[in-house]
Parts: sequence; C-alpha cells; structure tokens
Amino acid sequence: DIVMTQSPDSLAVSLGERATINCKSSHSIFSTYHNKDDLAWSQQKPGQPPKLLIYWASTRQSGVPDRFSGSGSGTDFTLTISSLQAEDVAVYYCHQYHTTPISFGQGTRLDIK
Amino acid sequence: QVQLLQSGPGLVKPSQTLSLTCAISGDSVSSDIAAWNWIRQSPSRGLEWLGRTYYRSKWYNDSAVSVRGRITINPDTSKNQFSLQLDSVTPDDTAVYYCASGWAFGVWGQGTVVTVSS
Repeated sequence: DIVMTQSPDSLAVSLGERATINCKSSHSIFSTYHNKDDLAWSQQKPGQPPKLLIYWASTRQSGVPDRFSGSGSGTDFTLTISSLQAEDVAVYYCHQYHTTPISFGQGTRLDIK
Repeated sequence: QVQLLQSGPGLVKPSQTLSLTCAISGDSVSSDIAAWNWIRQSPSRGLEWLGRTYYRSKWYNDSAVSVRGRITINPDTSKNQFSLQLDSVTPDDTAVYYCASGWAFGVWGQGTVVTVSS
C-alpha cells in the first residue's frame, strides 16, 4: 500500500503571505499511461465535505482561485497558496489515486497568524 | 454539473448492516469514464477510502482491505445511484460517510453521520 505523509501537521501564516504544504508518497505515483502524477489536493472546512483543488499534481480544478497551485513529481509534492486569504483557513489533504487502496495524507491544518 | 445526494440512517446497532445510498444527477452511474466511491472520516482514522464501483463494458469493484468481506457497493442503473452496505458493524465503524465521484474525487456527497450504538 502507498502511504501518504504530509508536513507540517499545522501551520499559521499571516494574511497575504505564502503558505506551503508538503506531501510525500512512499512509492512513485507517476502514471506512464497518462504521463502525469496521480496526486490530488483537497480543502476541507468544518462541517463540509472535502473540496477538490488540484489533480494530476498541478491541474487546478475549475473555479479554484489561481492563488492555489500544485507542484512536484514522483514522490514529493507541494501545495502553495501564494497570498493567504481569510477564507483559506481549513484542513488540506493530499491523496494518491495511482493504485488501490486509494490513500490520504493525515491532513494539514492552516490558520491565520 | 454532477451532484451527489446521500440518504440512509444515522444510527445502526452493533452487528447489524449499515446501508447508504448515493443518488447521482448530471452524470450516469454507467458512464464508462466515471468511478463511484465511498469514503469515511473519523477522528481516529482520518479520511479512509472504502471502495468503488465503475463500468468498463462490465462492472468492476475495488475495496479496502480493512473492510473487505464486509463491504458491498452496488450500482442501480434504474435509479442512477449506487449504494454501500457494510455488514457486522462495530462502534469502530462510527464515522461520517461520504460518496464521491471520479478518480480524484471531484464531487462529494453532503456526508452522513453514522453512529454505531445500541
């Protein structure tokens, strides 16, 4: 099974500053079929289901603000929020969909400093 | 625009079967490019993928080892929905249960809080 590990577990960033969350997979999740990494990022606010932000490691879901970006390849990935807004306070999860069982990171809680 | 609407009881007794349904609008359960998943979330387990069903000329199912032997995910083409059955539940199965579409989980149901208690 592929284990996904996020870091840090929590962070606090000032409004307008950059926030960076990391995700590491225990095995490569690169799809030779699609020539892309099978990695997604989601945002979850209290009382709501997760919301997909990024898929294929760096493709923004329709309607997601461009301050959200994803990068990385192979086993190391990053979600960056370029200029933190108040509405970005949430828990962020990565997950791999390269093989079953599909697996999630433990989540990173993002707050305002 | 795809939407998923969950239904089912929020309280299940130990040893009984948890049953939830996810109704699909804006897509077809028989789509040959879609996948239909069940995921749960609890403080102890975090987000846990349970299993999925999808159609590629025939129906396929995958499930997590943690629930294999207890889980059934069935498509219902007549109602355009899919269901989750989890047998022999224990308090450890208490969680928020979600249905979700696709490989990257682009659309989620609203979630159902399921408590296993007598």
